[in-house]
Amino acid sequence: NAGVTQTPKFQVLKTGQSMTLQCAQDMNHEYMSWYRQDPGMGLRLIHYSVGAGITDQGEVPNGYNVSRSTTEDFPLRLLSAAPSQTSVYFCASRDGLASSYEQYFGPGTRLTVT
Amino acid sequence: GENVEQHPSTLSVQEGDSAVIKCTYSDSASNYFPWYKQELGKRPQLIIDIRSNVGEKKDQRIAVTLNKTAKHFSLHITETQPEDSAVYFCAANSMDSNYQLIWGAGTKLIIKP
Repeated sequence: NAGVTQTPKFQVLKTGQSMTLQCAQDMNHEYMSWYRQDPGMGLRLIHYSVGAGITDQGEVPNGYNVSRSTTEDFPLRLLSAAPSQTSVYFCASRDGLASSYEQYFGPGTRLTVT
Repeated sequence: GENVEQHPSTLSVQEGDSAVIKCTYSDSASNYFPWYKQELGKRPQLIIDIRSNVGEKKDQRIAVTLNKTAKHFSLHITETQPEDSAVYFCAANSMDSNYQLIWGAGTKLIIKP
């Protein structure tokens, strides 16, 4: 199993550009999440999904969109990039069973907006 | 909504000594409390977790304790080693966001040789 994969690893955008960060998992997990990690601030939840076709907002959803058309994929779209969105983005997944809460993280995407 | 506070932000201990990191949470409905370790440039990885029906859990040199009444939980690392140097994050699940995790700000643990 590849686990959780993310592309690209690094990205530089200009203010106002849009892009999609890709996330995929091959563990048949129901739950998937997107986080951003800024220095000294831990991980903040952007959006999450509890299954294909179902998404919801986390703590910091503004400026981002998500969709979940399949169990495997959960792309994150930046609509109009701003310097405040410079961060490291992690995708994570976990099983939907109440007995299994462990989250598995992807390797992250380091995004710089100039 | 859930709020998780973690302290200290930086902890420096001598190799071989113990380290303790503490977190408090606000949502009394939270029932899952993991600790993750993140090495520089890497992804967070689960090192230990505890559920609300348990007061303490150990795994070799690592232990977690939970006080539901006071709404705080702690990570204890004994006999610290250089490879324990990393950033440690606590988290608690939040009923407000379908039991997704809300994270503390992290503790940078430095093991001095």
